[in-house]
Amino acid sequence: EDKVVQSPLSLVVHEGDTVTLNCSYEVTNFRSLLWYKQEKKAPTFLFMLTSSGIEKKSGRLSSILDKKELFSILNITATQTGDSAVYLCAVEAESGTNAGKSTFGDGTTLTVKP
Amino acid sequence: SQTIHQWPATLVQPVGSPLSLECTVEGTSNPNLYWYRQAAGRGLQLLFYSVGIGQISSEVPQNLSASRPQDRQFILSSKKLLLSDSGFYLCAWSATGWDTEAFFGQGTRLTVV
Repeated sequence: EDKVVQSPLSLVVHEGDTVTLNCSYEVTNFRSLLWYKQEKKAPTFLFMLTSSGIEKKSGRLSSILDKKELFSILNITATQTGDSAVYLCAVEAESGTNAGKSTFGDGTTLTVKP
Repeated sequence: SQTIHQWPATLVQPVGSPLSLECTVEGTSNPNLYWYRQAAGRGLQLLFYSVGIGQISSEVPQNLSASRPQDRQFILSSKKLLLSDSGFYLCAWSATGWDTEAFFGQGTRLTVV
């Protein structure tokens, strides 16, 4: 059974701190790993990673994948209160149809205090 | 641009009553469509996905069913709700094929009483 484990489950920091969120996985027929941010209702897409060692970056957020050790990290530098959210990691695997099947972790709840 | 609509936003239903949640996508053709359920403090559990009209794959045995009567319409149903069906339901779409991100609707908070 495919499994995605995120750590920590929750994290409280102060504005300006740097945080690292972890995602490890055990998935058959891995295709890609995706990070989403869920603030209130709908998760929104952050990054998709398919290759090891290539960092994806968007502003203060960055992410990298290690396909040998089966994990990914999401870094947020100079955190702001607007970064407070649940960060979800999902791994897409081949399903035998023309659709990716994603297994999600339980998320990391990040709270950034002023 | 593409948009996804999901309704209702909140629903309170008695045990044993039927359920119908609807999701529609605009601005794209032949999307992959998904229904997820999210328990409190947990990640998303994939319930159903569809790669085309009338094609539904079920991921977990449950009291729910899904249908795709039109290319951009995805419906989640139940004939008789159970208390355990309570949760936050999210519809999503992605482009056809692999390695594409999902775009989510705003979700439906279902409480079965």
